[in-house]
Amino acid sequence: QVQLVQSGAEVKKPGASVKVSCKASGYTFTSYYMHWVRQAPGQGLEWMGVINPSGGSTRYAQKFQGRVTMTRDTSTSTVYMDLSSLRSEDTAVYYCARTVTTTRGFDYWGQGTLVTVSS
Amino acid sequence: SYVLTQPPSVSVAPGKTARITCGGYNIGSKNVHWYQQKPGQAPVLVIYYDSDRPSGIPERFSGSNSGNTATLTISRVEAGDEADYYCQVWDTSSDHVVFGGGTKLTVL
Repeated sequence: QVQLVQSGAEVKKPGASVKVSCKASGYTFTSYYMHWVRQAPGQGLEWMGVINPSGGSTRYAQKFQGRVTMTRDTSTSTVYMDLSSLRSEDTAVYYCARTVTTTRGFDYWGQGTLVTVSS
Repeated sequence: SYVLTQPPSVSVAPGKTARITCGGYNIGSKNVHWYQQKPGQAPVLVIYYDSDRPSGIPERFSGSNSGNTATLTISRVEAGDEADYYCQVWDTSSDHVVFGGGTKLTVL
């Protein structure tokens, strides 16, 4: 069965970086795009960007350009999301979610990773 | 950038029909997807490509999309349907995913 398993919760200080992982199983890793979506406490869903695991190409939301980097390791079927220069407003649950095409809905989601930014 | 507008809240009595709207300029020309999110859980896809249901989603959930409004309809609402609902599109002009602000469905 399809599973997206994310790394555990993180606590970071302002200005630091965080790297969240998402390990995929149960399907052909390179056949689906992987997106990152975050949700601040009590707020809605916010798209951060997408990576094509097949070639590694990425597209980032304008808001995060220059601060986010998405990578993948095809040998372990894992994607990573690195967010730098953290500030308190980055405190959120971060989700990975897959789509078969960029225009299709997200059919599977990871369980979410809480990142807390606090001094 | 493309904007999707949802009502913050919708209330409905059990057994009745809930309709949650998602407004956007010429949204009828886009593919709209809907997600249900319960507290402390990841979102779940309930409608994709305007009106298709993933396997396992009850037939009570349906969708439509025309003009400037897409609609998620939940028939014979149950207490378990109480959740936040989000619409989503892929904006081809920016090549970005866009989410609506979300609608909290309350079952009275």
